[in-house]
Amino acid sequence: AAGVIQSPRHLIKEKRETATLKCYPIPRHDTVYWYQQGPGQDPQFLISFYEKMQSDKGSIPDRFSAQQFSDYHSELNMSSLELGDSALYFCASSHMNSEGAREQYFGPGTRLTVT
Amino acid sequence: GNSVTQMEGPVTLSEEAFLTINCTYTATGYPSLFWYVQYPGEGLQLLLKATKADDKGSNKGFEATYRKETTSFHLEKGSVQVSDSAVYFCALSEDFGNEKLTFGTGTRLTIIP
Repeated sequence: AAGVIQSPRHLIKEKRETATLKCYPIPRHDTVYWYQQGPGQDPQFLISFYEKMQSDKGSIPDRFSAQQFSDYHSELNMSSLELGDSALYFCASSHMNSEGAREQYFGPGTRLTVT
Repeated sequence: GNSVTQMEGPVTLSEEAFLTINCTYTATGYPSLFWYVQYPGEGLQLLLKATKADDKGSNKGFEATYRKETTSFHLEKGSVQVSDSAVYFCALSEDFGNEKLTFGTGTRLTIIP
């Protein structure tokens, strides 16, 4: 079965640079979520999109922005990178199942290292 | 706001031992509850879920029951295997369109042969 695809899997950037992370949801999933997992930490919700519109916002820094495109893929843009942005960034997607509930399916993550 | 409190690790058990990882939650509404597992170097995989009180989620020998009266969702397995070594996250999401997940701090489980 198709899974959530994230690219790149690993990314190394220097401080003050920009980074773009991409997420391709499972086909026919209408919602995309972004999470940040720092070293040894639990994942923290950043932002979500439903049908290409921002649906919820969490602890996402102003230096970060995201959008969902017409083909439902999403991109997380990160500018003025800081050392503290080094983390694993997960994308997840979901759709409403026959029981009226949602399950989030996670991608493998993009490991961002800022030096 | 919502929060999940999870039994802190790390937890080390011998193969075939009984496993319990405690999880309690605080939520304003009627959340759905989840256990996710993260194997080394991999992403998060949904292990099991329960969407309403008294529901029992189960998968791969793991079980957890949604207890509204004690606001708990403890993970159990009767006989663990070395392949169960991973980090386990308890999580919740609110109903009514607010599906972002709030995670616990994770419990690292190591099973020794």
